[in-house]
Amino acid sequence: QSVLTQPPSASGTPGQRVTISCSGSSSNIGSNTVNWYQQLPGTAPKLLIYSNNQRPSGVPDRFSGSKSGTSASLAISGLQSEDEADYYCAAWDDSLNAVVFGGGTKLTVL
Amino acid sequence: QVQLVESGGGVVQPGGSLRLSCAASGFTFSSYGMHWVRQAPGKGLEWVAFIRYDGSNKYYADSVKGRFTISRDNSKNTLYLQMNSLRAEDTAVYYCAKDRSDDEGAFDIWGQGTMVTVSS
Repeated sequence: QSVLTQPPSASGTPGQRVTISCSGSSSNIGSNTVNWYQQLPGTAPKLLIYSNNQRPSGVPDRFSGSKSGTSASLAISGLQSEDEADYYCAAWDDSLNAVVFGGGTKLTVL
Repeated sequence: QVQLVESGGGVVQPGGSLRLSCAASGFTFSSYGMHWVRQAPGKGLEWVAFIRYDGSNKYYADSVKGRFTISRDNSKNTLYLQMNSLRAEDTAVYYCAKDRSDDEGAFDIWGQGTMVTVSS
């Protein structure tokens, strides 16, 4: 049971816009920034979004993040086949003194 | 280029010990916080431990507290994870990851991972 809650799966067709939600509480998302990671099959995770809505250099602007209260979202516009991956949200939790992850969302491009 | 390379994984019996290493290159290792994150086969990511840039503070997941110890040697640009009293549920790929700053909690560089299997 993950501290942050994500839908286990999401899907879309090429060119579509999809969003992945991440729900937490006041001790994590409610009081700290949210980061998103992309994990392609068989590879190490990659930082996709940090500080709620910032993209590291090299990440396409098709990827965007937002946060409101104790929830966050990752949006992917202009969906491409290479976006098929697992996506994880994460944040620091002040009560646990730990980084907590969501359970991950498997994105399928139909 | 910026790189993290883990080593030290393998097969160990329940109750045994293992020490993982993570060699850093391409950045000023001593300026950044470092983390260990693991992923059990077919499962999601689980944060394991964090150490500040100078080793002054360390944090652990409840699942490993008292059994695992994170440390670093800034003179050798190397991060360590000493794992004792290993259990079957510790079986996972272990990644070391660089923090974007000292304690931001965003992991901008990841190693390729090293597999730890706890089995009799």
